[in-house]
Amino acid sequence: NAGVMQNPRHLVRRRGQEARLRCSPMKGHSHVYWYRQLPEEGLKFMVYLQKENIIDESGMPKERFSAEFPKEGPSILRIQQVVRGDSAAYFCASSPWTSGIGEQFFGPGTRLTVL
Amino acid sequence: DQQVKQNSPSLSVQEGRISILNCDYTNSMFDYFLWYKKYPAEGPTFLISISSIKDKNEDGRFTVFLNKSAKHLSLHIVPSQPGDSAVYFCAASAAGYGGSQGNLIFGKGTKLSVKP
Repeated sequence: NAGVMQNPRHLVRRRGQEARLRCSPMKGHSHVYWYRQLPEEGLKFMVYLQKENIIDESGMPKERFSAEFPKEGPSILRIQQVVRGDSAAYFCASSPWTSGIGEQFFGPGTRLTVL
Repeated sequence: DQQVKQNSPSLSVQEGRISILNCDYTNSMFDYFLWYKKYPAEGPTFLISISSIKDKNEDGRFTVFLNKSAKHLSLHIVPSQPGDSAVYFCAASAAGYGGSQGNLIFGKGTKLSVKP
């Protein structure tokens, strides 16, 4: 049973370019969460999605960031016109729990570097 | 405004001894707490959790204690092993109140080093 898959593992972009981060949840999991970790910091919640629905995006920056979890395919976190401050590790997690109580299973992360 | 605090950035323990990692929280609506372990360049791995209706949960060498009145929880690892060396994150959620829908609030982590 494969775990949460994220790709790419490392992504380098120049300022102003777009970054697309992909996440495939564990089989049978319909809840996907995105978190961002800055150096020397804990993980910060960004967005919670179910298939074709954004449930909670209270942690998403208001501009340039968007997320989707289509009916088919992986969840995508999209960052438009990246800036140096977007450099961070982005983690995706999934869970099968409908109530939100229970552990979330994390992927290995995508390390975004903005030059 | 940090709702989950891990005040010790690092902890060093001798192999075989007990490791105690501490975590404090400020939001009284938190009703579920988790500990994750993280190695460099990997995602966090779930270790153990506790619901606010309990004050202790044990799983093998790992025990989590919750003191709701003090808004404090701790993770005990006994006996500590060199392979336990990693960064440990405390996390909390208020899913039972329906507000956050289950997103986790993380502390900044404590780096544990277990020396042989």
